[in-house]
Amino acid sequence: EAGVVQSPRYKIIEKKQPVAFWCNPISGHNTLYWYLQNLGQGPELLIRYENEEAVDDSQLPKDRFSAERLKGVDSTLKIQPAELGDSAVYLCASSLTGSTGELFFGEGSRLTVL
Amino acid sequence: KQEVTQIPAALSVPEGENLVLNCSFTDSAIYNLQWFRQDPGKGLTSLLLIQSSQREQTSGRLNASLDKSSGRSTLYIAASQPGDSATYLCAVRPRNQGGKLIFGQGTELSVKP
Repeated sequence: EAGVVQSPRYKIIEKKQPVAFWCNPISGHNTLYWYLQNLGQGPELLIRYENEEAVDDSQLPKDRFSAERLKGVDSTLKIQPAELGDSAVYLCASSLTGSTGELFFGEGSRLTVL
Repeated sequence: KQEVTQIPAALSVPEGENLVLNCSFTDSAIYNLQWFRQDPGKGLTSLLLIQSSQREQTSGRLNASLDKSSGRSTLYIAASQPGDSATYLCAVRPRNQGGKLIFGQGTELSVKP
């Protein structure tokens, strides 16, 4: 069975440009997470979805970040405009249940903003 | 607010040693605790999940324990191998924070041949 799939794996952009990341969770997983990981740090939650509903987006910088999960399967995370400090790895994860299920992560999308 | 700490930040051992990685958390009201492995430039691989009602979980050479009352978990790796070299992250699921995982900063393990 396929794991969590993310694309692109790597992205290099100039500051002020837009960027988008895509995530396909494990089939049947209703809960989807986007995490941000800076170098040498543990991941930090940006947003959590239960099906189509964003149930926790308190850490998402809404002035420049947006996310959607249409139809409750794939999700897209967008940054517009990107800033130098956005350089990081963006990780997507999914789980069967919202509160107690095991999380499975994708390979991540590494963003470099020049 | 839940905080997760991992000590040491880095560890280097010779091949064959048994070793223990430590994780501590400040609030014992958790659903579960999960240990992950992360190789350089890669995503996180789930190693073990311990529910709050459990005290330990085992998988191969790995054994993880959970002591909620003291806010501690340990990951024991038996007979370490160079292929075990990676960063190990622990994460807890607080009961009062909507089910999200709170991560420690990780322990970078290097096993020398």
